[in-house]
Amino acid sequence: DIQMTQSPSSLPASLGDRVSISCRASQTVSNFVNWYQQKPGKAPRLLIYAASGLQSGVPSRFSGSESGTDFTLTISSLQPDDFATYYCHQSYSVPFTFGQGTKLEIK
Amino acid sequence: EVQLVESGGGLVKPGGSLRLSCAASGFTFSSASMNWVRQAPGKGLEWVGRIKSKLDGGTEDYGAPVKGRFTISRDDSKKTLYLEMNSLKTEDTAVYFCVRSNSGSHWGQGTLVIVSS
Repeated sequence: DIQMTQSPSSLPASLGDRVSISCRASQTVSNFVNWYQQKPGKAPRLLIYAASGLQSGVPSRFSGSESGTDFTLTISSLQPDDFATYYCHQSYSVPFTFGQGTKLEIK
Repeated sequence: EVQLVESGGGLVKPGGSLRLSCAASGFTFSSASMNWVRQAPGKGLEWVGRIKSKLDGGTEDYGAPVKGRFTISRDDSKKTLYLEMNSLKTEDTAVYFCVRSNSGSHWGQGTLVIVSS
């Protein structure tokens, strides 16, 4: 199975900060990596698909990048609505797997 | 507008069975690969399994924790996805989400399954 190692698990940050969340795949996943945002009691929401594709309706301050088996989600300038938990996910081969999650908290 | 509405969750005893449904609308359901993802209370996301479209072979794949106990099926005429869960264990307690496509473009609101004696 492909492991997705996500870091950090917790990220204190302030409004306006630029933040990055990383995910490393244990083997090649091509660009089949997606990023989700989840708020308490809600379903996850797709932000980024295929490593760097911005899902329709998602603000442009969110971006994704890849370098080999390393994937990064970046938020360019934190807004109040961005404090949530973020997950990476590989849909390259079954069983599909998720990272452990990163909780973005107000510093 | 894409909508996915899960139903069928509830309280069940260990060893019991439950069938979840997911009613889809707003997209061509028959062409979509559909997934189930679950989330135990206070935990992260776990992929349960998926079923491909009939055009793509209609095959199913499952995560190791549920393989042999859970079955995913679809009724394209009713635009409905199913998750048949047998031999339920306490560790199957979770919110179960129905998810459109392998990239997770759309999610239902989830339905809670509690396995407890």
